[in-house]
Amino acid sequence: DGGITQSPKYLFRKEGQNVTLSCEQNLNHDAMYWYRQDPGQGLRLIYYSQIVNDFQKGDIAEGYSVSREKKESFPLTVTSAQKNPTAFYLCASSAETSGSLLGTDTQYFGPGTRLTVL
Amino acid sequence: KQEVTQIPAALSVPEGENLVLNCSFTDSAIYNLQWFRQDPGKGLTSLLLIQSSQREQTSGRLNASLDKSSGRSTLYIAASQPGDSATYLCASVSRGYNKLIFGAGTRLAVHP
Repeated sequence: DGGITQSPKYLFRKEGQNVTLSCEQNLNHDAMYWYRQDPGQGLRLIYYSQIVNDFQKGDIAEGYSVSREKKESFPLTVTSAQKNPTAFYLCASSAETSGSLLGTDTQYFGPGTRLTVL
Repeated sequence: KQEVTQIPAALSVPEGENLVLNCSFTDSAIYNLQWFRQDPGKGLTSLLLIQSSQREQTSGRLNASLDKSSGRSTLYIAASQPGDSATYLCASVSRGYNKLIFGAGTRLAVHP
């Protein structure tokens, strides 16, 4: 089955702790994204990547970090610098290649990870 | 700056009713307008993508229209069913903004 997987489904973070959310896709997509969703708000873009070993900050990158060492994988680390990390995190991918305008192709989403700060 | 608004935030209808969900955007220079469905605690599923050169797209009981001049898109759901209950989000990408801008969504409940 082709698609996007995210793990874990639920994650709990203690104060001062870094945690990493996993995102894997087997759709052979070049572009991958991380969004944050808070109740009553639209999705906000954290980071995106259009090619391996390259990524760009979105609107709310502070307190987060990413890597793109493989085309299939785009992990997100929530660092202790992120003061309000409790949210639903969604990973997505699309076929846009490097240099293309994001959002022109259909985005496919993973099932999400719900992060809670203890 | 592109802003996407969806009103109402929540809607409850009886089964079998035809309904319209609204999406408005401030920047008419859009490349496309997309509609997504999100079930509780799940990711988003793409429903329809309307290119800026198109006026509407149809998939089964769903029809989405786009009016760039008025900055509006509507999602029409025919003969609603309880299985249509979900949150529906619209999003657009416009010239000068290298990303999708999402609305907050309309939470739809279809009751038997």
